[in-house]
Amino acid sequence: GAVVSQHPSRVICKSGTSVKIECRSLDFQATTMFWYRQFPKKSLMLMATSNEGSKATYEQGVEKDKFLINHASLTLSTLTVTSAHPEDSSFYICSARDSTGVYSPLHFGNGTRLTVT
Amino acid sequence: SQQGEEDPQALSIQEGENATMNCSYKTSINNLQWYRQNSGRGLVHLILIRSNEREKHSGRLRVTLDTSKKSSSLLITASRAADTASYFCATDTNAGKSTFGDGTTLTVKP
Repeated sequence: GAVVSQHPSRVICKSGTSVKIECRSLDFQATTMFWYRQFPKKSLMLMATSNEGSKATYEQGVEKDKFLINHASLTLSTLTVTSAHPEDSSFYICSARDSTGVYSPLHFGNGTRLTVT
Repeated sequence: SQQGEEDPQALSIQEGENATMNCSYKTSINNLQWYRQNSGRGLVHLILIRSNEREKHSGRLRVTLDTSKKSSSLLITASRAADTASYFCATDTNAGKSTFGDGTTLTVKP
């Protein structure tokens, strides 16, 4: 089945530094990937839609300069949390669909637990 | 606002019992999907039901959809301890986005 790999699984960084999270589709091409943030015992909040070869589409209230998204190839999207602060600590998850059908199931990475100290 | 809202928020049952989770949504949908999330992991797709379908089965899973009530239910029969996880419904909107509910945390006691 379709596999999405996300790295790192855990990262601890100091306040003010930047952290890059990678999301790769291993056995399929993904023109679109999605980035979510999840708070404890809460739902997934869609942050942005990553589009291969073009700018990401951010959801309302998500700072594009804070959360930089790059989708340079059909199998890789990256999310960079810039100048991280403790309030950015969260669980970040990416997903992608393995077909061009906009309603096909989403395949998720295993998430990245970010802790900013 | 959340498109999907699950009920109950938490459910605790004994192994072998059935577990039923409900999802309500607000706007018209094309599909509704159910996902499972083990603690600290990504989500795994369980089942998709289209707006013109009323019921769907997959193994021990049974999903119903009532578009007139804007609600769906997920039934897990003969539950196992390994079914312990959070379960989310997701409604598919235009532009390929999926909007997730707050989830139901299921605990199956051995």
